[in-house]
Amino acid sequence: ETGVTQTPRHLVMGMTNKKSLKCEQHLGHNAMYWYKQSAKKPLELMFVYNFKEQTENNSVPSRFSPECPNSSHLFLHLHTLQPEDSALYLCASSQDIGDRSTGELFFGEGSRLTVL
Amino acid sequence: RKEVEQDPGPFNVPEGATVAFNCTYSNSASQSFFWYRQDCRKEPKLLMSVYSSGNEDGRFTAQLNRASQYISLLIRDSKLSDSATYLCVVTIYNFNKFYFGSGTKLNVKP
Repeated sequence: ETGVTQTPRHLVMGMTNKKSLKCEQHLGHNAMYWYKQSAKKPLELMFVYNFKEQTENNSVPSRFSPECPNSSHLFLHLHTLQPEDSALYLCASSQDIGDRSTGELFFGEGSRLTVL
Repeated sequence: RKEVEQDPGPFNVPEGATVAFNCTYSNSASQSFFWYRQDCRKEPKLLMSVYSSGNEDGRFTAQLNRASQYISLLIRDSKLSDSATYLCVVTIYNFNKFYFGSGTKLNVKP
């Protein structure tokens, strides 16, 4: 059982659709992340939220729009995506204490996105 | 240039073998180092942190060489259940930036 839950687990959408991915962490962590995992490529950091504030936007196209309403929820809003955006989108959380961290990211099981 | 580089493998080894993976990182300001494990179609999970003095957890030994900017993972007495992809991870500048290598795939055969 994971402390980070993602929905939906699978999503198929057309290029003109608008959809959202949802992530919820039950671990009391203060940092949340979106990562993209494509075949044969390393996990790509997309967004980081620390105490609900976005601290990292890793040159992600504007067709991906994150939202963090509180420290335990994270959304990724999707619109006018391209077929090359098809990938596994992983949400993660961690506990960040100033300049220290446990160094452990807790991942959700991912949302597998297919863009037609 | 990639922040973290790993040999993608696959490494195919028999049960009981000893296998070692290396990973190099490009940024000398990298601060913390980890090995994560990812099973097929599952999320990554922390295997162990890597300390400058080297550290061991059962059959797993991790080493860090800051001068040469590489990290290693040694698995002794491989089990079938060790079959997975092993991800090298470094953090840079602050602990909110975790950079992943593309992973090394290990297949342990009976």
